[in-house]
Amino acid sequence: SAVISQKPSRDICQRGTSLTIQCQVDSQVTMMFWYRQQPGQSLTLIATANQGSEATYESGFVIDKFPISRPNLTFSTLTVSNMSPEDSSIYLCSLGGNTEAFFGQGTRLTVV
Amino acid sequence: AQKVTQAQTEISVVEKEDVTLDCVYETRDTTYYLFWYKQPPSGELVFLIRRNSFDEQNEISGRYSWNFQKSTSSFNFTITASQVVDSAVYFCALKPPRGAQKLVFGQGTRLTINP
Repeated sequence: SAVISQKPSRDICQRGTSLTIQCQVDSQVTMMFWYRQQPGQSLTLIATANQGSEATYESGFVIDKFPISRPNLTFSTLTVSNMSPEDSSIYLCSLGGNTEAFFGQGTRLTVV
Repeated sequence: AQKVTQAQTEISVVEKEDVTLDCVYETRDTTYYLFWYKQPPSGELVFLIRRNSFDEQNEISGRYSWNFQKSTSSFNFTITASQVVDSAVYFCALKPPRGAQKLVFGQGTRLTINP
């Protein structure tokens, strides 16, 4: 299985600022996914990131709020922009593929 | 539409008891994958098992076992002789074989094992 390194593991941010979360994989993968988990809730897909193309966002998520970069097949970033307390969540990156579904360690974000 | 239901929001048992976490899914695909994940308080999502829809054999891994029944669209998870370290939130998820390949998660079951 691939090794996924996600950072930061946690952060406390001021409202109105932005945070960029990084996800590094030790092998090349075609599809990467970004999920959000609000407190006490299940995971919700934010977007799918393919290398070389713009990310595909799920309903309720927009690029201006959650810009994603995918510069190569081993790396992706998710930025949470202009944060508000409602953005306090765990954010997780995940690998895609026909059968695999592994996750990074998660970023626990608190917005104050 | 695809859907995963984990009807048990919270379960609390005493250590060494056996406990079963239920998972019922809905899909029109004939081929799909089912997953179970464990989420400890640290927040990471720990992969436990993946099951192909064509493989209905039950699986056992130590104290963990999984019962996949296609006829009832269920993929239940049993922990035998539970331990305090098993306390976590457990998620069941469904993945289509093609297309967007995103996971559809259940709402999760919070399991508390009391000493």
